[in-house]
Amino acid sequence: GAGVSQSPSNKVTEKGKDVELRCDPISGHTALYWYRQSLGQGLEFLIYFQGNSAPDKSGLPSDRFSAERTGGSVSTLTIQRTQQEDSAVYLCASSFTSGRSSEQFFGPGTRLTVL
Amino acid sequence: SQQGEEDPQALSIQEGENATMNCSYKTSINNLQWYRQNSGRGLVHLILIRSNEREKHSGRLRVTLDTSKKSSSLLITASRAADTASYFCATHRGSTLGRLYFGRGTQLTVWP
Repeated sequence: GAGVSQSPSNKVTEKGKDVELRCDPISGHTALYWYRQSLGQGLEFLIYFQGNSAPDKSGLPSDRFSAERTGGSVSTLTIQRTQQEDSAVYLCASSFTSGRSSEQFFGPGTRLTVL
Repeated sequence: SQQGEEDPQALSIQEGENATMNCSYKTSINNLQWYRQNSGRGLVHLILIRSNEREKHSGRLRVTLDTSKKSSSLLITASRAADTASYFCATHRGSTLGRLYFGRGTQLTVWP
């Protein structure tokens, strides 16, 4: 595919359950980012991966959130013991480099609803 | 934390009119980017302006940047109903690589 893909597109879960969100970046992109967007809000940075460097996890809101990127490609964002405040759209983006001028290409997002 | 703040929060205009959205930011930047989002889905990059540039054009889009005032504006000329979307400005803060800081966005509605 030509763009960033994310799955699932929608996820409804019960409070306390764990969820995994997947992101397939554009082939060849070395940088991958996760953001989340609550209703009517801007994007909140969560984590970013650049090549083989240690990820920048400074945006993760709690230790219930973790992410990994296997083989420098696909990434999974895991939320453990979900809470209602975790409800949001989770957006993944990728870019060629993490250079300051690099355009980020976004996926369609996963809408997470925690009941 | 948010880096930018767009205003207005919402803008409603008729087709054919021009739409102007503003963005202010707090820290030094390397560049400022504008993105568009339809119906709460993925964002699409519109235009990037570097800190040493003052104005940039792309089709019906015109972006200005005033680093002394830490502000930018996005002008959409001859708007169309299809321009209805949320528009966000985003910056790389200072020397920080990679991550973008987004404002809360302007919701633009263009009536046919």
